[in-house]
Amino acid sequence: GQQVMQIPQYQHVQEGEDFTTYCNSSTTLSNIQWYKQRPGGHPVFLIQLVKSGEVKKQKRLTFQFGEAKKNSSLHITATQTTDVGTYFCAGISGTYKYIFGTGTRLKVLA
Amino acid sequence: DVKVTQSSRYLVKRTGEKVFLECVQDMDHENMFWYRQDPGLGLRLIYFSYDVKMKEKGDIPEGYSVSREKKERFSLILESASTNQTSMYLCASRPRNYRGNTEAFFGQGTRLTVV
Repeated sequence: GQQVMQIPQYQHVQEGEDFTTYCNSSTTLSNIQWYKQRPGGHPVFLIQLVKSGEVKKQKRLTFQFGEAKKNSSLHITATQTTDVGTYFCAGISGTYKYIFGTGTRLKVLA
Repeated sequence: DVKVTQSSRYLVKRTGEKVFLECVQDMDHENMFWYRQDPGLGLRLIYFSYDVKMKEKGDIPEGYSVSREKKERFSLILESASTNQTSMYLCASRPRNYRGNTEAFFGQGTRLTVV
């Protein structure tokens, strides 16, 4: 079946360092969403990318959707302790089905 | 403010018990989902429902069933709980959009332990 893999599984960074997580799908996606889950919390929507090659920014966060619409990345510049959590991508296939990635757990060391 | 509410935050059940996990949303969303979350495996879709009384299997439906008698409520049933069903269960909802361009709203999760 369709799979969405994320790397790395874990990442520890010093506060102020950059961080990137990558999401790869086995099939072409219609669009992709990113979610953040704080420790002890539930996933919360961050952004959606729809177009091939699309790049979107939210303050220190930069999201990219690959040209072939099979991969995506989230880059955080100058991490802060508030960035701690697990970041998930979710590939949209068809009308209803979200395929969530395996997640990247970010720890920021002060 | 949108809200998805799961009936329990923590649950401990015995092997073989029938377990009901309830999820209620107040946003009049058509689509509702049940996921389980395990370390290193991300969120895996168990079942989803796109309308009242409608349901479709996700990626890991074995050992589970669901019920959607009313639009706002989506129940996950473990017919005979087993220890490998110990997990965090997350319910989500989103409005119908035929291009999939809508965000999912999640409940706070139910951490189920089967002993």
